[in-house]
Amino acid sequence: QLVETGGKLIQPGGSLRLSCAASGFIVSSNFMSWVRQAPGKGLEWVSVIYRSGDTYYADSVKGRFTISRDNSKNTLYLQMNSLRVEDTAVYYCTKEGLGMDVWGQGTTVTVSS
Amino acid sequence: NFILTQPHSVSESPGKTVTISCTGSSGSLASNYVQWYQQRPGSAPVIVISENNLRPSGVPDRFSGSIDSSSNSASLTISGLKTEDEADYYCQSYDGTNRVFGGGTKLTVL
Repeated sequence: QLVETGGKLIQPGGSLRLSCAASGFIVSSNFMSWVRQAPGKGLEWVSVIYRSGDTYYADSVKGRFTISRDNSKNTLYLQMNSLRVEDTAVYYCTKEGLGMDVWGQGTTVTVSS
Repeated sequence: NFILTQPHSVSESPGKTVTISCTGSSGSLASNYVQWYQQRPGSAPVIVISENNLRPSGVPDRFSGSIDSSSNSASLTISGLKTEDEADYYCQSYDGTNRVFGGGTKLTVL
C-alpha cells in the first residue's frame, strides 16, 4: 500500500515536499516513480528512483524537482521547488514491478496566486 | 521525444469486443515493454496488462494485450464488454530511462 501526503495550495515560485509512505514492501528494493495528472488531463510521468539510487526526471521538472527516499521510514519523497501554475495536478506515487503495479490514492497540489 | 498516440475515445455495446490502439512515434515499440492502465473517474489508475500481454492477478481474462511490430503499435482488447469496463485507458512504455504515457482513451460502454 502507498499513502501520499503533503499536497496543498501554494503560490507560484514556492516549494513543497510530497511524501509517500509504503507498507507491505520495501521502497529501497524497488523502482519507485511519481506520476501526475493535471485536472481533466492524462497521466504524466514525473520521476523515478532506481534500487541503486539513480534518479531520472521528465524534462518538464528537471532541475526543479528532486526524488529521494528514507529507507528507515520506508518512505518516498518528491521535493518540488520553483513551482509553476502548470505543476497543478494530482500526484501519485507508484511501485514499479511488472509495470506500475501499485499506486497510491494521490495527493493534490494546486499552484495559484 | 518519443510519443505514444491513442484514439481519444471509443464506444461499444455490452457483450461486444473493443480494441484500443497505442502507436509509437519512432523506434520500435516491440523493443520495450508496454503496459496498460485502467482509470475510473475519481480513482487512481490500476494496471490491467503488464509487459505487453501479462494479466496481473485479479484482472479478468477478458483483457488481453498484444504488439504489432509492423505498425509499431500495441493493442488492448477487451472482450465481453461490461458496463464496469467504462473508464479511461492509458498505454505506457519507455524512452530510455524515461517512462512515457499515451494520451489516454475514454471507453464508453453503451
